[in-house]
Amino acid sequence: AQKVTQAQTEISVVEKEDVTLDCVYETRDTTYYLFWYKQPPSGELVFLIRRNSFDEQNEISGRYSWNFQKSTSSFNFTITASQVVDSAVYFCALSEGQGAQKLVFGQGTRLTINP
Amino acid sequence: NAGVMQNPRHLVRRRGQEARLRCSPMKGHSHVYWYRQLPEEGLKFMVYLQKENIIDESGMPKERFSAEFPKEGPSILRIQQVVRGDSAAYFCASSPGRGLTSQQYFGPGTRLTVT
Repeated sequence: AQKVTQAQTEISVVEKEDVTLDCVYETRDTTYYLFWYKQPPSGELVFLIRRNSFDEQNEISGRYSWNFQKSTSSFNFTITASQVVDSAVYFCALSEGQGAQKLVFGQGTRLTINP
Repeated sequence: NAGVMQNPRHLVRRRGQEARLRCSPMKGHSHVYWYRQLPEEGLKFMVYLQKENIIDESGMPKERFSAEFPKEGPSILRIQQVVRGDSAAYFCASSPGRGLTSQQYFGPGTRLTVT
């Protein structure tokens, strides 16, 4: 069965610190996608990244980077030099093959960046 | 190009009333997904629809909940005889096609409060 685990319920750091959010997933499929979404206090879902199971290259986008490791079924997200505006709940999600593309979400990690 | 629209953004219902949540997909999208986010939890898949068809309703509660996506007009998620436990944020997502390569785009959500 598909499952996404975000073991860190809450993280609190001081501004400018680096922070890594962990995501571990379970799937039986060899073809799947992994996602990260940000949910700021306003409540909407902001898409951050989508990676397919065949592309294990790490990705960097500004202060954000993602480390995908199939060997450990992990897709971790690092924010470098964190800022107060990064404070939000972050969700990792998985979708796998065979037609319907429903997303399975983790429980989320609430990140608080203190000034 | 307008994004996914959901209305109302906030809905208050008394126990026993009916709630109707609407979702207008992005232009050109014929696939709609509904997710529910209970307080302090991640999103849970409810139902996946194409125009005039329910493709996957494995996440829908068996009673009181129904969904439709008519040939014309928005998708509707209907909750009959609401109870306090239905209080949640309901997100709709749309995609242009079926399958893993088809990205889902989320709406801003409808916050349902049952008093």
